[in-house]
Amino acid sequence: DAGITQSPRHKVTETGTPVTLRCHQTENHRYMYWYRQDPGHGLRLIHYSYGVKDTDKGEVSDGYSVSRSKTEDFLLTLESATSSQTSVYFCAIRELGTEAFFGQGTRLTVV
Amino acid sequence: DQQVKQNSPSLSVQEGRISILNCDYTNSMFDYFLWYKKYPAEGPTFLISISSIKDKNEDGRFTVFLNKSAKHLSLHIVPSQPGDSAVYFCAASQQGGSEKLVFGKGTKLTVNP
Repeated sequence: DAGITQSPRHKVTETGTPVTLRCHQTENHRYMYWYRQDPGHGLRLIHYSYGVKDTDKGEVSDGYSVSRSKTEDFLLTLESATSSQTSVYFCAIRELGTEAFFGQGTRLTVV
Repeated sequence: DQQVKQNSPSLSVQEGRISILNCDYTNSMFDYFLWYKKYPAEGPTFLISISSIKDKNEDGRFTVFLNKSAKHLSLHIVPSQPGDSAVYFCAASQQGGSEKLVFGKGTKLTVNP
């Protein structure tokens, strides 16, 4: 299995609070991605990174920010969580032109 | 604007028969395509991929076909097994470009014993 770890695995938070999800890899892969999975929507790309300090927006980036200060960590931050951000979040890692490997997911509930 | 489309939310087949899952894409710059399988409460796992320089790729019971002119790809599973029951996602990217990896909404496959 690819060395990719998401933390926390489950989180319940209140509306309006900041939340940070962490994705950690031990594979030294260049590309890292954050997706959310919701019923009827499949996997939607939030943000992705193509190198340290290099990030770009995906399809559903509003309300989310990311940071990648070192190769192994990609952080996803919800500045002020809303109920619409209740979802399962997946991180993925990838090298150029190859398949992506996914983490186990983080189930986030905003109440 | 959905760039990768899986128009069948679900598919049911009998064990031993062929399962065919379909995927369409709109962005002609996509040149690398992947299929993933997902069980509940787990992350997606890679199944098979195909580059646009090919029109077919096989790996055991799984074959992916690519029709570039129609912007269509399909995943064939032969023979289907009950353990294949899962949600299947199609994904696409542009190699050498942004490497953005875009997924479809998925098709839930049920293989009945």
